[in-house]
Amino acid sequence: ELKVEQNPLFLSMQEGKNYTIYCNYSTTSDRLYWYRQDPGKSLESLFVLLSNGAVKQEGRLMASLDTKARLSTLHITAAVHDLSATYFCAVALQGGSEKLVFGKGMKLTVNP
Amino acid sequence: DTAVSQTPKYLVTQMGNDKSIKCEQNLGHDTMYWYKQDSKKFLKIMFSYNNKELIINETVPNRFSPKSPDKAHLNLHINSLELGDSAVYFCASSPPTTTNTQYFGPGTRLTVL
Repeated sequence: ELKVEQNPLFLSMQEGKNYTIYCNYSTTSDRLYWYRQDPGKSLESLFVLLSNGAVKQEGRLMASLDTKARLSTLHITAAVHDLSATYFCAVALQGGSEKLVFGKGMKLTVNP
Repeated sequence: DTAVSQTPKYLVTQMGNDKSIKCEQNLGHDTMYWYKQDSKKFLKIMFSYNNKELIINETVPNRFSPKSPDKAHLNLHINSLELGDSAVYFCASSPPTTTNTQYFGPGTRLTVL
């Protein structure tokens, strides 16, 4: 059974600081996603990572994937208040399955 | 020009009632999904349809019945509602591409009293 763990689950950080959050998964997969959810809102797709060593960047967020370690990281550079949200990683079962297993989400609060 | 839409946005009802949530996507995607997000924000897939055919059917009570009249619509009917059904239900859709990125609707907050 595929399990997805995120670490940490809560993070409070100051504006301007850097931080890395982690997503571990238990079985081989061929797709990993990062989503953002603002309070009371829907999920917004941030990144999809398809292969070992894949790196994607958008603004102050950079995601990477190490399929051998079954680990993805989401690095935050010079955090700003607007990044405050809950960030989910989700992993697809191998073989092109449409089924995604989500982590519990990491609630990020960026303080001025 | 909403991509994935759901109705209603809020649903408050009594235990034992039957209710439906509707989902429509105008993205031309082949696959649609229902997810449940509980009070701790944990997201779990319930069902998925590909071109009107059920492809994912997770372990959910059989009081929940999805129905896809066409590939742009996926509805969720819930019978005999229970307190534990209170949650936010999200519909999503995805294209038949390599990335299969799922695009989520705005959610329906169901409260069972």
